[in-house]
Amino acid sequence: EAQVTQNPRYLITVTGKKLTVTCSQNMNHEYMSWYRQDPGLGLRQIYYSMNVEVTDKGDVPEGYKVSRKEKRNFPLILESPSPNQTSLYFCASSLKSTRVHEQYFGPGTRLTVT
Amino acid sequence: KNEVEQSPQNLTAQEGEFITINCSYSVGISALHWLQQHPGGGIVSLFMLSSGKKKHGRLIATINIQEKHSSLHITASHPRDSAVYICAVRSSQGAQKLVFGQGTRLTINP
Repeated sequence: EAQVTQNPRYLITVTGKKLTVTCSQNMNHEYMSWYRQDPGLGLRQIYYSMNVEVTDKGDVPEGYKVSRKEKRNFPLILESPSPNQTSLYFCASSLKSTRVHEQYFGPGTRLTVT
Repeated sequence: KNEVEQSPQNLTAQEGEFITINCSYSVGISALHWLQQHPGGGIVSLFMLSSGKKKHGRLIATINIQEKHSSLHITASHPRDSAVYICAVRSSQGAQKLVFGQGTRLTINP
């Protein structure tokens, strides 16, 4: 089944404890992206990747890192999480980076930083 | 002012009613997406369009590029249509970034 998977789905952690949210897609998509969703602010892009080893900042990249070593995986890294990173996170992918294609979203990861 | 504005923010209707959700944007775009987010949180892509009209079952999406406006219509609405509907645009500037509207929370009562 074609899908985008994220792990974990729910995470409660403490300030400063490094964490990684994994994202994987099985559709051989070039483009992958991370978004966060907050009440009243909607969805905002954190980072995106046009292909392997090609990543760039979105609108709200502060406090996050990403890597794209393989085409299928695009992990989101919080080196030192803070309470303002408490949010619902979505990974998404689409077929080509240079053309407009439908985006497929993962199920979301609800992160709470205390 | 947000680049993408949706109206209404909240909409409650009775089962069977015809529903319209509007999306206006202020930038040049290469495509517009309509997304559906159910209470469980998952996001599903409903439509991607750059001109004209698309139909899928009871859902219809239209876009007017000159007026920078899109509408999502639901015919014969059903309680299972209750969800948040999100409009997102892809800039024509070449970036792959999606800019999202705030979403419209739709509740269909039986």
